[in-house]
Amino acid sequence: DAGVTQSPTHLIKTRGQQVTLRCSPKSGHDTVSWYQQALGQGPQFIFQYYEEEERQRGNFPDRFSGHQFPNYSSELNVNALLLGDSALYLCASSGGGQKQYFGPGTRLTVT
Amino acid sequence: GENVEQHPSTLSVQEGDSAVIKCTYSDSASNYFPWYKQELGKRPQLIIDIRSNVGEKKDQRIAVTLNKTAKHFSLHITETQPEDSAVYFCAASSASGTYKYIFGTGTRLKVLA
Repeated sequence: DAGVTQSPTHLIKTRGQQVTLRCSPKSGHDTVSWYQQALGQGPQFIFQYYEEEERQRGNFPDRFSGHQFPNYSSELNVNALLLGDSALYLCASSGGGQKQYFGPGTRLTVT
Repeated sequence: GENVEQHPSTLSVQEGDSAVIKCTYSDSASNYFPWYKQELGKRPQLIIDIRSNVGEKKDQRIAVTLNKTAKHFSLHITETQPEDSAVYFCAASSASGTYKYIFGTGTRLKVLA
């Protein structure tokens, strides 16, 4: 039984570029949440997807967008990258309850 | 707004001693409180959780207590071992809506051998 997986592991981008991060949830889970974890900080909620719809969004600008596919996998897109977007991006999946399981994250560096 | 405060930010203990990490939440609708352990470069791993209808939960050397009235919850680790060294995060989740987590800022625990 595979856990939550994310790709890529690491990514380096230049300011102004766009990036897409991917997440596959744990088997049997239908809900995907995305978090941004800056260095030395706790994860911050970006948004959550359920039934291919964005169900709730945290305090992040519209540059952050996402998508969920029929197989429950999800993408996080960030446009017009800023230096401050450098962080670890975590995906968490859940299956109808409050317990969330995290993926290994994607380390994004914006130069 | 919703907020979770976590203390201390760093904690050093001798191997075999106990460690206590405390969190305070602001949203009275919060009803689920997980604790995650994150080792350097790795994913957060759920180590224990508690629901608001329970005051205490224990799993071997780890326990969590919850005081709903004061909106406090704490992680207790007994007989600490060097492999307990990591960053620990508390979180609070509301039963309404998406169950999104509001995380604390983390506690770096160092267990000295």
